[in-house]
Amino acid sequence: GAGVSQSPSNKVTEKGKDVELRCDPISGHTALYWYRQSLGQGLEFLIYFQGNSAPDKSGLPSDRFSAERTGGSVSTLTIQRTQQEDSAVYLCASSLGSAGPYEQYFGPGTRLTVT
Amino acid sequence: TQLLEQSPQFLSIQEGENLTVYCNSSSVFSSLQWYRQEPGEGPVLLVTVVTGGEVKKLKRLTFQFGDARKDSSLHITAAQPGDTGLYLCAGEKNAGNMLTFGGGTRLMVKP
Repeated sequence: GAGVSQSPSNKVTEKGKDVELRCDPISGHTALYWYRQSLGQGLEFLIYFQGNSAPDKSGLPSDRFSAERTGGSVSTLTIQRTQQEDSAVYLCASSLGSAGPYEQYFGPGTRLTVT
Repeated sequence: TQLLEQSPQFLSIQEGENLTVYCNSSSVFSSLQWYRQEPGEGPVLLVTVVTGGEVKKLKRLTFQFGDARKDSSLHITAAQPGDTGLYLCAGEKNAGNMLTFGGGTRLMVKP
């Protein structure tokens, strides 16, 4: 079956512009996660959606970052007034979310470069 | 400070050598997962360990979960160039859907 897809695969933007990153999770997965990864390092958690519950936004680094998930499926991560330190690979993952262990399946990521 | 500490951070070895990667924490996890990530791709799940003391084998890879469920190791026997990549461990606490990732171990296997 289809895995997690993300678009665009690469995004170059000027400092101060807004960007939107999209994630299509695996069909039937109720949990969706966004992470940020800098220069091949470990993953920094950003936000987590589970079904219709309020998202866990505890990892968002500033109020310039927001995310929504429409209809319990597709998610969009928005970064407003981008800064150079926002440059990173943004990864999305989904999991069944119904019972543990919560194995996560990742998309290929969006590489964001802020110039 | 990482909740999950991985070591070593970098490892460069020759084809055919053995290696072990460690993932340590002072916290107890209900499960621990290992992922491998190749350049330009997302992490791919290799294995999930759940029971303290559990050992799982995946071809030349052996994964162990510590008895106290605070640490884990990944041992690769006779490494191949295809094993090159970033290895990430991730722990799940209290069955709460959330994973905490280690900083990763970047492995390079030279032919």
